Amino acid sequence: EDQVTQSPEALRLQEGESSSLNCSYTVSGLRGLFWYRQDPGKGPEFLFTLYSAGEEKEKERLKATLTKKESFLHITAPKPEDSATYLCAVRTRGYNKLIFGAGTRLAVHP
Amino acid sequence: DAGVTQSPTHLIKTRGQQVTLRCSPKSGHDTVSWYQQALGQGPQFIFQYYEEEERQRGNFPDRFSGHQFPNYSSELNVNALLLGDSALYLCASSTGSGNTEAFFGQGTRLTVV
Repeated sequence: EDQVTQSPEALRLQEGESSSLNCSYTVSGLRGLFWYRQDPGKGPEFLFTLYSAGEEKEKERLKATLTKKESFLHITAPKPEDSATYLCAVRTRGYNKLIFGAGTRLAVHP
Repeated sequence: DAGVTQSPTHLIKTRGQQVTLRCSPKSGHDTVSWYQQALGQGPQFIFQYYEEEERQRGNFPDRFSGHQFPNYSSELNVNALLLGDSALYLCASSTGSGNTEAFFGQGTRLTVV
């Protein structure tokens, strides 16, 4: 069965303290791995799509990387406004739906 | 460019009632997917509509049904509401190729009492 697992469940950082979020997946043919940011009570906001192992994407303080088994979302020198839940999702071969992990709740304190 | 819009934003219903949620996709998108997100969980796929037909369905009972209109907008209907149906309902739009990013609306918070 296709599965996505995110870790840690929650992460507390001091402003400027860099860290990484992990998304491990078990799927029968990856057709894309997606990262979203979600603020409380709002819909997910698209961040990145990665399609093949070795691929990397960057946006401001965020950098996403992909291997054959997992993806990392690296946050460099985070600010309090980076506080949110970060969701990882995969799209598998033959299907158009997204399979989501449970998310990592990130809190960045000044 | 308007993104994905959903209505209403909040809704309170009584057990056993029926509810209809609405979604207008992002300009240029022709595919609409619906997701249910319980508190503290990731979104769960309900179904996807393309060319006014249900193309794929997740593990949800027949109480959940949908419709897509010629202008690509969509409705999600839930009959015989249960307390467990309380959740954030998300609509996502994309293009029919299925190989593009999905963009989400702000969601409808449904509370069943």
